[in-house]
Amino acid sequence: DAKTTQPNSMESNEEEPVHLPCNHSTISGTDYIHWYRQLPSQGPEYVIHGLTSNVNNRMASLAIAEDRKSSTLILHRATLRDAAVYYCILRDGTYNNNDMRFGAGTRLTVKP
Amino acid sequence: ETGVTQTPRHLVMGMTNKKSLKCEQHLGHNAMYWYKQSAKKPLELMFVYSLEERVENNSVPSRFSPECPNSSHLFLHLHTLQPEDSALYLCASSQDRWDLNTEAFFGQGTRLTVV
Repeated sequence: DAKTTQPNSMESNEEEPVHLPCNHSTISGTDYIHWYRQLPSQGPEYVIHGLTSNVNNRMASLAIAEDRKSSTLILHRATLRDAAVYYCILRDGTYNNNDMRFGAGTRLTVKP
Repeated sequence: ETGVTQTPRHLVMGMTNKKSLKCEQHLGHNAMYWYKQSAKKPLELMFVYSLEERVENNSVPSRFSPECPNSSHLFLHLHTLQPEDSALYLCASSQDRWDLNTEAFFGQGTRLTVV
């Protein structure tokens, strides 16, 4: 299985940008990079995903390294509501192994 | 509100009880999933249904029995559970199990306590 490595925790100040890293050195050419976050007492929610090119949406940006062995989720201005556990997930392109499997994620703390 | 609704939100049951967790989505999705999230552990994928057919069972004990009567509803039947089964049970759905370019939607979960 392709796996991801994320720091256990990170801290940010409110209204500052946050860069959440993810390493996936064994990624294959057909794997999509997905990011989800889980706020306290809630189910995970989708943030963003991409394959090769950088992606932007209303929640965040995803920067994918040229060799695709790492990616960074960028929150442009952190708010207190962004405090959550952020999961970087590879969706395996092989036929029998493309369901989402979660790791431990990065717990983001946002300080006022 | 994600469009995936789980009931009940909280459940306390004895080890000899039989209970069921319900998940409902009206997003027109073809794939539905059960996950288990124990304290201080990552989410564990339990079951996957695609077009109402169970396509994956990740070595889950038989005391957990899923049912998918139609594409909008998913149940998890619980029987003779153990205290270590206490966890947050999350349901999710996605448009198509094989489309990697789409997102999954999660419910808020059922917090289960086995006493």
